[in-house]
Amino acid sequence: DQQVKQNSPSLSVQEGRISILNCDYTNSMFDYFLWYKKYPAEGPTFLISISSIKDKNEDGRFTVFLNKSAKHLSLHIVPSQPGDSAVYFCAASEGTGANSKLTFGKGITLSVRP
Amino acid sequence: EAQVTQNPRYLITVTGKKLTVTCSQNMNHEYMSWYRQDPGLGLRQIYYSMNVEVTDKGDVPEGYKVSRKEKRNFPLILESPSPNQTSLYFCASGPFPQYFGPGTRLTVL
Repeated sequence: DQQVKQNSPSLSVQEGRISILNCDYTNSMFDYFLWYKKYPAEGPTFLISISSIKDKNEDGRFTVFLNKSAKHLSLHIVPSQPGDSAVYFCAASEGTGANSKLTFGKGITLSVRP
Repeated sequence: EAQVTQNPRYLITVTGKKLTVTCSQNMNHEYMSWYRQDPGLGLRQIYYSMNVEVTDKGDVPEGYKVSRKEKRNFPLILESPSPNQTSLYFCASGPFPQYFGPGTRLTVL
């Protein structure tokens, strides 16, 4: 049973426009959410996170929104740049303690067209 | 530089030939883990370790072993690899956020 779902396998946007990457979760015990970015031939790298006590977290061009009632979060990239083309993984956990486990979604491939 | 290293980066082997993928981190993290990435399945945790000599199964542990004798090292052992273990493997350290190694692409013929 997939607890973190990224239902769209790919997204293509024009450079300069907004990219919106969606993620849904089913486990109501999840209270911490992260986005990772992965380039080919590299490991995933941490991008941005949000705690369940917030509904928005912003870091430069990247903003994550959390809707707890809908069990939905989204990553907004504004403006999108060709260097943002990568696979993006959504992840969630119950707490942030030493024994907390990250559950990942399948990932979404973002392509930013020049 | 804070990093997680894995070796080898690429490996082609045959069914049943034991292999070890090494993982090392220089961030003094207690928590380390192994994932495999497969098309359409995302990242799935194989094993994790909360500290030296403390390991536990993740979501897909079958066919794998791990050991944690030193804090910095967390090798992944495939004692009798099979073709369904052909995958891209990532080691990671630190729970939040996790720092990932560059990956090991394993092909089992």
